[in-house]
Parts: sequence; C-alpha cells; structure tokens
Amino acid sequence: GAVVSQHPSRVICKSGTSVKIECRSLDFQATTMFWYRQFPKQSLMLMATSNEGSKATYEQGVEKDKFLINHASLTLSTLTVTSAHPEDSSFYICSASPHGTGTEKLFFGSGTQLSVL
Amino acid sequence: TQLLEQSPQFLSIQEGENLTVYCNSSSVFSSLQWYRQEPGEGPVLLVTVVTGGEVKKLKRLTFQFGDARKDSSLHITAAQTGDTGLYLCADQYNFNKFYFGSGTKLNVKP
Repeated sequence: GAVVSQHPSRVICKSGTSVKIECRSLDFQATTMFWYRQFPKQSLMLMATSNEGSKATYEQGVEKDKFLINHASLTLSTLTVTSAHPEDSSFYICSASPHGTGTEKLFFGSGTQLSVL
Repeated sequence: TQLLEQSPQFLSIQEGENLTVYCNSSSVFSSLQWYRQEPGEGPVLLVTVVTGGEVKKLKRLTFQFGDARKDSSLHITAAQTGDTGLYLCADQYNFNKFYFGSGTKLNVKP
C-alpha cells in the first residue's frame, strides 16, 4: 500500500517556540493532505485540508495563524505550530490519498507527539 | 455537521471471546470506513463499505452496513491480544475528506 511518512515522531519544546511537522507521501502524489489532532483516548479531529499550490482550508475553530500549513509540492505538506503553548500538546497526524486514482483510501502518517513545556 | 457515535467507548475482554462494536451516524453515510489505531501510530484502514446491507469479512472480522446506511457494526470472533487498539469508523463526506467517530478502545487480555 501507499506510504505516508511523518517527521518528527516526537518533539518536546518550550512554550513560545514554533514547531514544524512534515508529512511526505513517499510513493505517490497527493494534491490534498489532511491534518488531524488527537487527544489521549479520543478520536481524530480534522484540523485542516492542505491543498498543493493554494491556501489550506481550516475547520471551524482552528486558528489559521496558529497552525500554518504549507503544501509546496505534490509530496510534501508541513504543519507549523507557532508560539506553542502547553494546551497545544497533542498527537498530530497527517493523511493523504493518491492523486487521480479515484480511490477513497486514506493513508496515514505515524503521527507526531508534541509536548510543550 | 455529521455526528458519528461509536459504542461502547471502552471494552475489555478475555482472549477468545467474541465482541461487537457499533457506529451510528446522524446522517446517511457517503462511504463508511473502519480503521484500527495502535498507540503512537496512525490509523490503518480495515475496510470500506458503500452499499446499504453490505457485509464484508476480513478473517475474524465481520463488517456490516445498515440498510439505511446510517449505522454499521464490527464483529470480532475469537478475539486475540493483537486485536487490541482503538477502532474508528469514518465517513467520507466530501472529496477525500473524512470525519471520524468517537472511537472504541478495545483491550484483549491474554
């Protein structure tokens, strides 16, 4: 199956710093990638849809200036958590679907555990 | 906004037992998917069901889609410790955009 790589898998940072998370589709092109957030023992909450070559679409309640998304190529999307605070600590997961195949399958990265001190 | 509710929230059983978890939607599913997620990992797709009344089997897992396409069940026969994880249902409500259910945390004890 298709492979989505997410990096880093774990990051610990100080409050006020910014953290960048990368999501790469390794063996397929993805015009669209998705970013989710997951709190312990809870389900995935869609944060935003990352569109290659255009602005990301954010879900209601998600601050676009807080969570910067860049999708500069068909294989890479980045999520930057700006001026991170302890309440931003969470498990962030990206997903992507192969472009132009008509498939409904979503492939997920292995997630990034962010801890803000 | 579509609401996907899963039940039970938590389930702890002994190895060898059977179990069923449920997913109910406030509206008709476009395309229902079931995922399993292990701690610290991303979800892995188990199955996609589209047609009302559809039944799919994946080894010891049986997936059923309601006739009205608003509910689904996942039945596991003779559970194994490797089945432990968070089971999520999801609906594709827009092109490649998915909403996830609240999840069922399954723990299979040896």
